Amino acid sequence: GAGVSQSPRYKVAKRGQDVALRCDPISGHVSLFWYQQALGQGPEFLTYFQNEAQLDKSGLPSDRFFAERPEGSVSTLKIQRTQQEDSAVYLCASSLSPGTVGNTIYFGEGSWLTVV
Amino acid sequence: EDKVVQSPLSLVVHEGDTVTLNCSYEVTNFRSLLWYKQEKKAPTFLFMLTSSGIEKKSGRLSSILDKKELFSILNITATQTGDSAVYLCAYNNAGNMLTFGGGTRLMVKP
Repeated sequence: GAGVSQSPRYKVAKRGQDVALRCDPISGHVSLFWYQQALGQGPEFLTYFQNEAQLDKSGLPSDRFFAERPEGSVSTLKIQRTQQEDSAVYLCASSLSPGTVGNTIYFGEGSWLTVV
Repeated sequence: EDKVVQSPLSLVVHEGDTVTLNCSYEVTNFRSLLWYKQEKKAPTFLFMLTSSGIEKKSGRLSSILDKKELFSILNITATQTGDSAVYLCAYNNAGNMLTFGGGTRLMVKP
């Protein structure tokens, strides 16, 4: 596609519910990143994929968070047993090559999660 | 611990004013510093800075990096209401991820 596409754009979940957030990166992009942005804060790194390999998951806040990219394209971020502190915008970003940053990384519009 | 601090947290100006946004950082293995504009949800790239003292310019926006004093500034001259946004500063170290500051929320009033 023309840009990074994320779905759903908005999700309201009841506390304890599982959610799955999808990211379609730009076609051919090798690197894929997930960030979490709480209200009034800057984005915080969650995890990084190079093709299907999850090379860095140091930012995942707990074992309730799980990300996958099984075929090296679409990625899913899953949050189990959601809690109120999980409420945030989840941003996905992709870039063509590993190790390239700046004007070569493209962000999606984000998925806004509200846990009630 | 690596960190990025932006100031001010928020700023309200009138159209035509000039603003200066600040970003200070403490980071090991510095590679580049980046500025993004975030209006709705997706941050959009503005500048990437790797060398001290070289100003990057794009229209009314400009930015410069001081690697000795570990800070960067983003200047916007003749502000317009369309400049209202959150401005994010981020660094990239030797790894692949970006580490962002908390952002500066700019509101430009007519």
